[in-house]
Amino acid sequence: EIVLTQSPATLFLSPGERATLSCRASQSVSSYLAWYQQKPGQAPRLLIYGASNRATGVPARFSGSGSGTDFTFIISSLEPEDFAVYYCQQRSNWPPALTFGGGTKVEIK
Amino acid sequence: QLQLQESGSGLVKPSQTLSLTCAVSGGSITSGGYSWSWIRQPPGKGLEWIGYIYHGGNTYYSPSLKNRVTISVDRSKNRFSLNLSSVTAADTAVYYCASASRAAVAATDAFDIWGQGTVVTVSS
Repeated sequence: EIVLTQSPATLFLSPGERATLSCRASQSVSSYLAWYQQKPGQAPRLLIYGASNRATGVPARFSGSGSGTDFTFIISSLEPEDFAVYYCQQRSNWPPALTFGGGTKVEIK
Repeated sequence: QLQLQESGSGLVKPSQTLSLTCAVSGGSITSGGYSWSWIRQPPGKGLEWIGYIYHGGNTYYSPSLKNRVTISVDRSKNRFSLNLSSVTAADTAVYYCASASRAAVAATDAFDIWGQGTVVTVSS
């Protein structure tokens, strides 16, 4: 099973600052990497799929990059509504199996 | 606009079978190339993929749960279901059903459509 390790566990930032989140896979996942945002009491929201493609309606301040085992998710300038938990998710090729990272919580400093 | 809605028992006794249903609206569950997934989240913890079923009926499950999980589709009712047997307190979680709204997302096995989630508690 492919393990996804997210870092840091918690990120303390102020509105307007840049957030950089990391997701590392225990083996290559090619570009099958997605990023989700989750707020308390809500279902996750897809932000990025295929490592770098923004989902429909996602603002341009959210971006993703990487391939293979190392991925980065960036929020270029934090808005008040961006403080949440972010998860990465991968799909292994065969047999298909999905795993999520442990999450990074972006908190207000 | 594809929408998903979970339903089922919110309280299950230990050793029994958890059964949930996800109703699909705004689209057909027989759409080619799409998967229909179950994902759960224990209280205060992260997300765990349970498994999914493709439109053709192929199912894939998490290795850690595959001995206890069955996911099936009811095409006549445009819904899919989850059965998880021999539950314990560790199966207490919010259970989500999820899918993709378009082929580009589905091809990467990401999920841009989620139900609101349903809380399942395992307790005697």
